[in-house]
Amino acid sequence: GAVVSQHPSWVICKSGTSVKIECRSLDFQATTMFWYRQFPKQSLMLMATSNEGSKATYEQGVEKDKFLINHASLTLSTLTVTSAHPEDSSFYICSARGVAGGTGELFFGEGSRLTVL
Amino acid sequence: AQTVTQSQPEMSVQEAETVTLSCTYDTSESDYYLFWYKQPPSRQMILVIRQEAYKQQNATENRFSVNFQKAAKSFSLKISDSQLGDAAMYFCAYRSVWPDNYGQNFVFGPGTRLSVLP
Repeated sequence: GAVVSQHPSWVICKSGTSVKIECRSLDFQATTMFWYRQFPKQSLMLMATSNEGSKATYEQGVEKDKFLINHASLTLSTLTVTSAHPEDSSFYICSARGVAGGTGELFFGEGSRLTVL
Repeated sequence: AQTVTQSQPEMSVQEAETVTLSCTYDTSESDYYLFWYKQPPSRQMILVIRQEAYKQQNATENRFSVNFQKAAKSFSLKISDSQLGDAAMYFCAYRSVWPDNYGQNFVFGPGTRLSVLP
């Protein structure tokens, strides 16, 4: 199956700093990638959809200026949490779908746990 | 908007036994996909099984099978010969066929935590 890699798997930062999380599709080209946030013992919450070469589409309630998403190539999307605060601490997961056709599923990265002190 | 419900927040099963996780969904669409994803303690989401709504035959993947009842909008997952490695959070998910940008219409249920007892 298709492989999506996410890095870093965990990060600890000080309040006020920015953190960048990378999501790469390793063996396929991903025209669209998705960023989710997951709170403990809860389901995935879609934050935004990023399309290669265009601006991301954010879900209602997600701050665009705080969660910057860039999808500069068909294999890489990045999520930057700007001026992070403790309430931004969470588990962030990216997923991707292929260029065309496919079986309808999403392929997920390993997730990144962010802890803001 | 579509919704996915998993009525069992937690389930447990004895090793080697069979367990069924329930999932119901609400939609007005006739064509869609349904999935079961597994999230083990490592936290990476892994696809367990997939079902296309237009297919009447229930999907099967080794020890995993589904009971897809389209009219009842039910999509349960049966795990046979449960193993310790099956312990995880299981999410039922729905995906519309249209529109094409389907991340926004890929809906996850709240999840069921499965414990496997040795």
